[in-house]
Amino acid sequence: EAQVTQNPRYLITVTGKKLTVTCSQNMNHEYMSWYRQDPGLGLRQIYYSMNVEVTDKGDVPEGYKVSRKEKRNFPLILESPSPNQTSLYFCASRRGGSLPYEQYFGPGTRLTVT
Amino acid sequence: AQSVAQPEDQVNVAEGNPLTVKCTYSVSGNPYLFWYVQYPNRGLQFLLKYITGDNLVKGSYGFEAEFNKSQTSFHLKKPSALVSDSALYFCAVEDGGATNKLIFGTGTLLAVQP
Repeated sequence: EAQVTQNPRYLITVTGKKLTVTCSQNMNHEYMSWYRQDPGLGLRQIYYSMNVEVTDKGDVPEGYKVSRKEKRNFPLILESPSPNQTSLYFCASRRGGSLPYEQYFGPGTRLTVT
Repeated sequence: AQSVAQPEDQVNVAEGNPLTVKCTYSVSGNPYLFWYVQYPNRGLQFLLKYITGDNLVKGSYGFEAEFNKSQTSFHLKKPSALVSDSALYFCAVEDGGATNKLIFGTGTLLAVQP
């Protein structure tokens, strides 16, 4: 089954404690992306990757890091989480190229930073 | 800059009645427009997209959307609503640059009453 998986699904942590949210896709997609969803704001892109070892900032990258060492994995790293990073996070993937392919989303990770 | 707007936070409709969820867009060039649905505790699922051509786009679960260039709108429609259609709906436009970024509206909660 074609899917995007994320772990963990729920996470409660404290300010400053480094954490990683994993994302993996099994569709051999070139493009992967991270979004955060906040009430009244919709989804906003944090980082994206066009292919292995190619990453770039989205609209709200402050406080986040990513890496793309393998095609299937795209982890999101919060080096020093703060309460304003409490949010619902989604990983997504799609085929690469200029045509408007649909994006496939993971189930989400609900993060609470106290 | 590309953007989409969803003017209604919530739409209420009785089961069996037609439903419309509104979306307007602002883009430079040809728009690539999408609708996604989010069920509780789930990731976003692709419903349909407009690239070019026929202004009436058919998608999953009996949904369709009407592209109107003069009104810069892309409203989501369904002839007969089901209780199971109750969910959060997002309109999105793909950034025309090289990023493949989706720019989302703020979402519309559809509530279908039995």
